[in-house]
Amino acid sequence: GAVVSQHPSRVICKSGTSVKIECRSLDFQATTMFWYRQFPKQSLMLMATSNEGSKATYEQGVEKDKFLINHASLTLSTLTVTSAHPEDSSFYICSASYRDRGNTIYFGEGSWLTVV
Amino acid sequence: AQRVTQPEKLLSVFKGAPVELKCNYSYSGSPELFWYVQYSRQRLQLLLRHISRESIKGFTADLNKGETSFHLKKPFAQEEDSAMYYCALSHQGAQKLVFGQGTRLTINP
Repeated sequence: GAVVSQHPSRVICKSGTSVKIECRSLDFQATTMFWYRQFPKQSLMLMATSNEGSKATYEQGVEKDKFLINHASLTLSTLTVTSAHPEDSSFYICSASYRDRGNTIYFGEGSWLTVV
Repeated sequence: AQRVTQPEKLLSVFKGAPVELKCNYSYSGSPELFWYVQYSRQRLQLLLRHISRESIKGFTADLNKGETSFHLKKPFAQEEDSAMYYCALSHQGAQKLVFGQGTRLTINP
């Protein structure tokens, strides 16, 4: 067990539109999820920490109004990229903390966003 | 500020040879260190963490606080070890991770 699933795996959207990416913990409850961004050939950069039932904590330099995070249940966090622009094109990865396994972090498969 | 440095973007060794992936960190407190691996077309997965002191798939890593290093080692590389390896740290007790730039390891037959 301990699978984290992201949907969609790939999405293309037009500039100015919003796109939502879902992150689900399929067989465990995750009170904390994390959203990362990865540019080609670069490392993962933490964007925000998503806590169930409360507001997300954003890292310095990440626009809260641009990247809306909602963690409405113990198994689902969503990242909405609002008014997307081509520079938002990236690989977005979520991870979830499995409390009953010593807070081991499990990663989703990632979502490719291309803004045209 | 927390920082993780992996000096080698690419590392290529022959099958059966020893392998060492370097990781250095800067952190003022007592961090928790991890190695994550990403095989081709697969998601990132935990390889090992320093507090466990365990060996996974023949890999070991020792935390050297004096040198602020957490190098990953394996005495005899296998072809299936070819992957992207990321070193990461977190605050003790916290869960958010700071990643290094990653090292792509290629094991040649």
